Amino acid sequence: DVVMTQTPVSLSVSLGGQVSISCRSSQSLVHNNGNTYLSWYLQKPGQSPQLLIYKVSNRFSGISDRFSGSGSGTDFTLKISRVEPDDLGVYYCGQGTQYPYTFGAGTKLELK
Amino acid sequence: QVQLQQSGTELVKPASSVKISCKASGYTFTSNYMHWIRQQPGNGLEWIGWIYPGNGNTKYNQKFDGKATLTADKSSSTAYMQLSSLTSEDSAVYFCASGYNSGYFDYWGQGVMVTVSS
Repeated sequence: DVVMTQTPVSLSVSLGGQVSISCRSSQSLVHNNGNTYLSWYLQKPGQSPQLLIYKVSNRFSGISDRFSGSGSGTDFTLKISRVEPDDLGVYYCGQGTQYPYTFGAGTKLELK
Repeated sequence: QVQLQQSGTELVKPASSVKISCKASGYTFTSNYMHWIRQQPGNGLEWIGWIYPGNGNTKYNQKFDGKATLTADKSSSTAYMQLSSLTSEDSAVYFCASGYNSGYFDYWGQGVMVTVSS
C-alpha cells in the first residue's frame, strides 16, 4: 500500500497567519493517465471531511483561494493563508492513484 | 445541491451483520462513483471501496474483502454497504462519499456510527 506521511502532526497558528502542511507518499502518485490524484480534506470538529483540493492544486467548488496546493511525484504541500477560525480542524491528504486508496494520519490545526 | 443522507446509528451484536444506506440527491447518481470510508475512534480515514451505480461495478480494498459488500439501487439513488461477521474492531464511523472521478471524494455523507457490543 502507498503510505502517506503528513507533517507536522499538529500546528498552532494565530488568526491571520499562514501555515504549510507537508504530505509525502512512499511511491509516485503519477497515474498511468498522467494525472496525479493527490487531494486534501478538512475535517472540522464533529463533522464529515470536506474536499478542499484535488489533483494536487485544483480548488474544489466554493473553496477559498486562501487554500493552495502544490507538489509533484511524492512530495506535496497545502498552504493556508490568512487563517480564519473556520479553518480549524484536522487536515488529511489522500491518494487516489493506486489501490487501495490511502490517507495521511492527519494534521491538527489549532489556534495559538 | 448535492446531499448524501446516511442511515442512523447502529448498535449490533458480535458475529452479526449490518446494512447501512446512503441516499444521494442533487446529482446524477449513476454517473458518479460512491465510495465508503471508515474512521475508527480517534483514528484517521481508511478507504473501504467504491461502487459505480451506473453499471454496478465495484472495487474493494483487499483488507475489507469478505467484510464489506457494496450495492446500489438506481431506482432510489441509494447506495448500501453491508458489513458481516462483526467484531469490536468494526466499531467505527462509516462515511459514504461521492466522486465524479474515482480518485477523490467530492461530497461526504454525515457518517454512521456502528458500535459492535454484546
